[in-house]
Amino acid sequence: DAMVIQNPRYQVTQFGKPVTLSCSQTLNHNVMYWYQQKSSQAPKLLFHYYDKDFNNEADTPDNFQSRRPNTSFCFLDIRSPGLGDAAMYLCATSRGSTAYNEQFFGPGTRLTVL
Amino acid sequence: KQEVTQIPAALSVPEGENLVLNCSFTDSAIYNLQWFRQDPGKGLTSLLLIQSSQREQTSGRLNASLDKSSGRSTLYIAASQPGDSATYLCAVRTYNYGQNFVFGPGTRLSVLP
Repeated sequence: DAMVIQNPRYQVTQFGKPVTLSCSQTLNHNVMYWYQQKSSQAPKLLFHYYDKDFNNEADTPDNFQSRRPNTSFCFLDIRSPGLGDAAMYLCATSRGSTAYNEQFFGPGTRLTVL
Repeated sequence: KQEVTQIPAALSVPEGENLVLNCSFTDSAIYNLQWFRQDPGKGLTSLLLIQSSQREQTSGRLNASLDKSSGRSTLYIAASQPGDSATYLCAVRTYNYGQNFVFGPGTRLSVLP
C-alpha cells in the first residue's frame, strides 16, 4: 500500500543534542510537509517542500532545518533541542499539481527532550 | 489570517447516538476543508475532503457538510461506536495562506459502551 512512513516512532534526546527525524513516502507526491503538534494543540506547520523548493513558515525557529534529498525522503533536523521542542512531529504529503488535493499523514514521531 | 475553531473541545456520548462536530473558520476564501481522525499518540487519518464548490461528502457513517459563506463545516457521525473514540480535527486550505492547511485544535470524542 502506498503510504507515508516516519522513523523513528519515538525519539529521546538530550537537551542541546542534535536530532534528525525521517520521513519517506511511496505516494510519489511532490509536496512534503513537516508539522509540530504539542499536547492537545492543533498541528502547526513548520515548513514544506514543493519539489525541491523549500518554504519556511515565518515563525519557525532557526533551530529547525529540513532536507529533501529526493522525491521520496524528507528529514527534519533540530540542531539544539530545547525542552520546549518536545512534541509529536508529523510528516504529510500532497500531490501539488492543484491546491484541491488532500494531505496524507504519517504516524508521527514523538520527541522527548531530557 | 485564517483562524479555525472547533466546538465542543470534548464530547462524551453513549454508544448508538448520532452526533455532530463543528468547525468554524474566519476566512471563506478556501480551496477545501479536510476532516481527520487522530488516535492518542498517533498520526492523522483522513476521513473526508470537501472541495469549496461542494456542499457535503459522505463516507459510511460519516457525513461532512460545508457552508463556505458562513465559514462552517459539520461532521455528522451516525450510530456512534466505542471505536469512534478519538480526536477529530478539521483543516482548511486557504487562498491567502500559500495554499497551506490551517488546523483547528480538535474535538476529543468519547463513545461510552
